Amino acid sequence: EAQVTQNPRYLITVTGKKLTVTCSQNMNHEYMSWYRQDPGLGLRQIYYSMNVEATDKGDVPEGYKVSRKEKRNFPLILESPSPNQTSLYFCASSLSAISSYNEQFFGPGTRLTVL
Amino acid sequence: GENVEQHPSTLSVQEGDSAVIKCTYSDSASNYFPWYKQELGKRPQLIIDIRSNVGEKKDQRIAVTLNKTAKHFSLHITETQPEDSAVYFCAASNNNAGNMLTFGGGTRLMVKP
Repeated sequence: EAQVTQNPRYLITVTGKKLTVTCSQNMNHEYMSWYRQDPGLGLRQIYYSMNVEATDKGDVPEGYKVSRKEKRNFPLILESPSPNQTSLYFCASSLSAISSYNEQFFGPGTRLTVL
Repeated sequence: GENVEQHPSTLSVQEGDSAVIKCTYSDSASNYFPWYKQELGKRPQLIIDIRSNVGEKKDQRIAVTLNKTAKHFSLHITETQPEDSAVYFCAASNNNAGNMLTFGGGTRLMVKP
């Protein structure tokens, strides 16, 4: 089944404890992206990747890192989480990074709480 | 950068009535406008999209209109049903692949039976 997966789905952690949220897609998509969803603010882009080893900042990148060593995986890293990073996180992917309006497929989301 | 505003933030309608959600965008270079539906506890899913060379697009009970001059676009749902209850997000993109999306703040639609 074609899909975007994220792990973990739920995570409660403490300030300063490094964590990684994994994202994987099995559709051979070029483009991958991370968003955070907060009430009233919609979805805001954190980082995106046009292809392997090509990543760039979105609108709210502070406090986050990403990597794209393989086409299918795009992990989100919080080196030193803080309470203001408590949010619902979505990974998304789309077929092409450069051509012809293509749909973004979202993962199931990861609800992160930082105490 | 792009800024997308969405109104209203909540909308309650009776089953069978129509619902309209409106968005405005700031970047005149934006050329792709998708709408996503997010049911409670689920992921956002694309329901309809429109490109800047088209003024209106329809798919069964949903339609989207675009006014490039005014930088407005709207989602219209006719004959609403309880299963239409969800949060709806508009978005705008200014690249050819349509994947650099800026989202609106979302509209919670409640359809009362």
